[in-house]
Amino acid sequence: RKEVEQDPGPFNVPEGATVAFNCTYSNSASQSFFWYRQDCRKEPKLLMSVYSSGNEDGRFTAQLNRASQYISLLIRDSKLSDSATYLCVVKYSNSGYALNFGKGTSLLVTP
Amino acid sequence: DTGVSQNPRHKITKRGQNVTFRCDPISEHNRLYWYRQTLGQGPEFLTYFQNEAQLEKSRLLSDRFSAERPKGSFSTLEIQRTEQGDSAMYLCATQLGDEQFFGPGTRLTVL
Repeated sequence: RKEVEQDPGPFNVPEGATVAFNCTYSNSASQSFFWYRQDCRKEPKLLMSVYSSGNEDGRFTAQLNRASQYISLLIRDSKLSDSATYLCVVKYSNSGYALNFGKGTSLLVTP
Repeated sequence: DTGVSQNPRHKITKRGQNVTFRCDPISEHNRLYWYRQTLGQGPEFLTYFQNEAQLEKSRLLSDRFSAERPKGSFSTLEIQRTEQGDSAMYLCATQLGDEQFFGPGTRLTVL
């Protein structure tokens, strides 16, 4: 069983739609949480960190539920440029500084 | 360009050959990571350096793989006696604070 699980999608949504991605992690010794974005054939780039209190950055909202070991990402008013793969990432406190990635969720925003 | 750079960007080799990849980090970042990413998967951690010291290695890093970071600057990843299963994108990342910055990767194809 993979330590960080995501629905691979693809999620096909029209422009302007709201879309939500979920992620679960299995290691309770988890320290930090992130969402990375990866465009086709490009490197992953940090989208946002995820804090216990929840955090928002423009159209993007991330939530963390430590009790359920669950992370979410909400994208409002989706744009064509949001089309990408969204990677859920967990850093464990007992494994140095390595990032543990989910497989990613593919999003395609259509006109 | 002040980001992480990797060379070569693409490498095609025959099974059994040795290959070496190079990563040039962002200059003030002393933590450097290697990851491997195959199609449809998220990046998987291979190894981690703090300055010149290799502090962590994944079980994915078989004895055919070796990584170095002499003088704590650039890093190399060598794969000996390549196998078809080694075909993947090899990503280098450096860290500042909580964020890891990825290079563009080296795409390896083993024929």
